[in-house]
Amino acid sequence: DAGVIQSPRHEVTEMGQEVTLRCKPISGHNSLFWYRQTMMRGLELLIYFNNNVPIDDSGMPEDRFSAKMPNASFSTLKIQPSEPRDSAVYFCASSFNGVLRDEQYFGPGTRLTVT
Amino acid sequence: KNEVEQSPQNLTAQEGEFITINCSYSVGISALHWLQQHPGGGIVSLFMLSSGKKKHGRLIATINIQEKHSSLHITASHPRDSAVYICASLGSGTYKYIFGTGTRLKVLA
Repeated sequence: DAGVIQSPRHEVTEMGQEVTLRCKPISGHNSLFWYRQTMMRGLELLIYFNNNVPIDDSGMPEDRFSAKMPNASFSTLKIQPSEPRDSAVYFCASSFNGVLRDEQYFGPGTRLTVT
Repeated sequence: KNEVEQSPQNLTAQEGEFITINCSYSVGISALHWLQQHPGGGIVSLFMLSSGKKKHGRLIATINIQEKHSSLHITASHPRDSAVYICASLGSGTYKYIFGTGTRLKVLA
């Protein structure tokens, strides 16, 4: 298996632009997580999907952030409009069940820079 | 609320040294996950354990449920082991990791 796939790996955009990050989880996994990593705050959970349904989006910073999972093999995280404080590394992770000690496998991350 | 603490925060070692990184948590958990992140790189899963000990190559992870403590050991350390090591706890019946602050390891040749 190729592991969790994320694209793009790097994104540089100007403030106010829309940014879309993409994730393909490991085949057979039914839980998907979006995280944000910054120097100040470390890893933060943004949103958790189980069987394509958003279960917990309490970590989504504000209405500028939205996430979708239209099917079991694809998810997007969108920021519109982007701001410089959104600059971070965004990780997608997947697991088989999400609970019961199931290991989360992380993608390579998308490094976002908003100027 | 579970708090996860790692020590040390930074560690510099000479190649070949035996390294120990510690992780303590404050409430009972169902499992603990050790992760590795190279500079500018992705996050790699090393171990997930709920009891006892696991070994993979030069890496060994142990957990003591009663003492709420886990350790990650690296034997015969190598410069390629230089990375940030993160422990993350998983509570019973939950999907949310509580992450430690990470230990930045540098192994000198």
